[in-house]
Amino acid sequence: AQKITQTQPGMFVQEKEAVTLDCTYDTSDQSYGLFWYKQPSSGEMIFLIYQGSYDEQNATEGRYSLNFQKARKSANLVISASQLGDSAMYFCAMREGWNQGGKLIFGQGTELSVKP
Amino acid sequence: GAVVSQHPSWVICKSGTSVKIECRSLDFQATTMFWYRQFPKQSLMLMATSNEGSKATYEQGVEKDKFLINHASLTLSTLTVTSAHPEDSSFYICSARGQGLGTDTQYFGPGTRLTVL
Repeated sequence: AQKITQTQPGMFVQEKEAVTLDCTYDTSDQSYGLFWYKQPSSGEMIFLIYQGSYDEQNATEGRYSLNFQKARKSANLVISASQLGDSAMYFCAMREGWNQGGKLIFGQGTELSVKP
Repeated sequence: GAVVSQHPSWVICKSGTSVKIECRSLDFQATTMFWYRQFPKQSLMLMATSNEGSKATYEQGVEKDKFLINHASLTLSTLTVTSAHPEDSSFYICSARGQGLGTDTQYFGPGTRLTVL
């Protein structure tokens, strides 16, 4: 069963507008971590934001915020004031528990295109 | 901080040769390093996890004799693709998880694009 699901293969957003990239997850662990990474065409994976399962507040990092809804098992990424440089693939990932060696499970990714 | 480098960034080799890819953590000690491969337009697939000074743990379906991983120090892990064939052509990317970085974040190298002719 897919543990991390990103249902939007591709998204378009107008420059300067906000966009939400969806991510749902499935785990029976009480302790887990959720991550978002950006992968531009160059291929590097850029860490954007992290949310721990016990964090009560939604994580924010500059223009990135994570809308964490634990009961719904969703961890959507919100990018405010989109810029042309935000065009890239975005991956949601989960780390289950503390005894899994830190392995990350990745979603299928969402390709975001920002229009001028 | 938390910079991971990979070398080479791209490599073209003939079928049957071996290729070594290096992954280095530049400003932190990486207790654990991970190796992934990624096909075009697809997600990252974890190949193996390596801890400094011990044998790597390979994911199901990954041939350990073909993809040799060595994690000899807290800042260096290497992946050797032995007797490479065209089907091994892919984007290989490493990540490192270290001490004192606060969250349990993995930091990724820039990747190595391997083409086997």
